[in-house]
Amino acid sequence: GIQVEQSPPDLILQEGANSTLRCNFSDSVNNLQWFHQNPWGQLINLFYIPSGTKQNGRLSATTVATERYSLLYISSSQTTDSGVYFCAVEFARGSSNTGKLIFGQGTTLQVKP
Amino acid sequence: DVKVTQSSRYLVKRTGEKVFLECVQDMDHENMFWYRQDPGLGLRLIYFSYDVKMKEKGDIPEGYSVSREKKERFSLILESASTNQTSMYLCASSWRGYEKLFFGSGTQLSVL
Repeated sequence: GIQVEQSPPDLILQEGANSTLRCNFSDSVNNLQWFHQNPWGQLINLFYIPSGTKQNGRLSATTVATERYSLLYISSSQTTDSGVYFCAVEFARGSSNTGKLIFGQGTTLQVKP
Repeated sequence: DVKVTQSSRYLVKRTGEKVFLECVQDMDHENMFWYRQDPGLGLRLIYFSYDVKMKEKGDIPEGYSVSREKKERFSLILESASTNQTSMYLCASSWRGYEKLFFGSGTQLSVL
C-alpha cells in the first residue's frame, strides 16, 4: 500500500493566502523531513521534524507521530513559495537510522501575484 | 552553509556509453545518497553510502554502481547507459541518519 501520501496533489493560491499541506504515513517513523523543490529543480530542506512543532519564518510544521501525520503550514504566501513540497520519512520498523528517506509524491503549489 | 556540488547540470550521452556522475560535499558528512527523479514516479533511492568504501543498494540499483573512495566524494556510474536511464539525478548528504538531508542541484541526464 501507499507508504507516504501527500495531499492535496495540487494547490493554487493567491499571494497573501495561507495554506496547509498534509503528509500521512503508514507506520511509525524515526525521521521525517519536509523539502521544497523550486522551479529550477533545487531541493531545499525546510524541516527535520519526526515529532513536535517547529517554526521558521512564515513556515511551520507539526508532526503527530502517534497519529501518523505531519502538516506544513505556509502563511502569507509569496510567489517565491511556488514549487513542489515533499514530505520524506524513514520508517522505524527494521531501521538502523540510516537516513534512507522514502519520498511522497509531493504537493505542487502555485502562488499567483 | 552546507554545499553539495554535482559536476554537471546537463549531460547528453549515447546508448552503451559508460557515464560518471560526480558529487562532492564540503561538510564532512558521513552519509551520501543518489536519487533519481522521474515525472509520476517521484524520487527513488539508487544507492547510498554511510562511510568511505561502504555502500548499500537502494530501491532501484539495477544498471548502476557507485564509488566512494574519499569521504567527500560519491560517484554514480552507469556501466552501459540505456534510454530508460534518462532522468534527473540528485545527490544528497547528511551527517548521520537522523540529521537533515541536503541536496545538490541535480544532473539532468539524457541518453540518446
